[in-house]
Amino acid sequence: DVKVTQSSRYLVKRTGEKVFLECVQDMDHENMFWYRQDPGLGLRLIYFSYDVKMKEKGDIPEGYSVSREKKERFSLILESASTNQTSMYLCATTPPTGEAFFGQGTRLTVV
Amino acid sequence: DQQVKQNSPSLSVQEGRISILNCDYTNSMFDYFLWYKKYPAEGPTFLISISSIKDKNEDGRFTVFLNKSAKHLSLHIVPSQPGDSAVYFCAAINSGTYKYIFGTGTRLKVLA
Repeated sequence: DVKVTQSSRYLVKRTGEKVFLECVQDMDHENMFWYRQDPGLGLRLIYFSYDVKMKEKGDIPEGYSVSREKKERFSLILESASTNQTSMYLCATTPPTGEAFFGQGTRLTVV
Repeated sequence: DQQVKQNSPSLSVQEGRISILNCDYTNSMFDYFLWYKKYPAEGPTFLISISSIKDKNEDGRFTVFLNKSAKHLSLHIVPSQPGDSAVYFCAAINSGTYKYIFGTGTRLKVLA
């Protein structure tokens, strides 16, 4: 079974803090993705990576950056957290084509 | 600009009846489509997929239909069960760009 692990289930951070969300997968998949889920907006793609040290902007990259130093780990960074980044964050991994496997999600609240 | 849209945010269906969830897309470069189911506080889980070279794929109670000319896909669940109550997302892939785009989701409620 593919396992995708996100470092935290729940996080509360203050406005202006730098926030790191970590995601680790154990299936040697090339592709990894970060999404945020908001009511009425579905899952929106923030960033994705198709190889180590490779990254591509998704549809809403503003305010975020990512890091992929190792194949199994994909980190999402909120450079200076703001209240509009309060959301559910979901990490996913896929083989070159096919179904995505998701982590359990991180509910981030920025106060 | 939403490339994958699910125009019905919610749907209620009686147990035993058919549930039909719809999804429209705008990008003709998408070549693979999937449906996911999501419960609260969990990540989405894969349900069923279809390649753009097909127009139908069936797996047990779940059938996905693809109409490429209309850029439309649908998920049929027959018979619907209370355990099917969840949010359903359609997703589309352009395998040339690795991009994996999700729709806005439809909350299905199956009434016992």
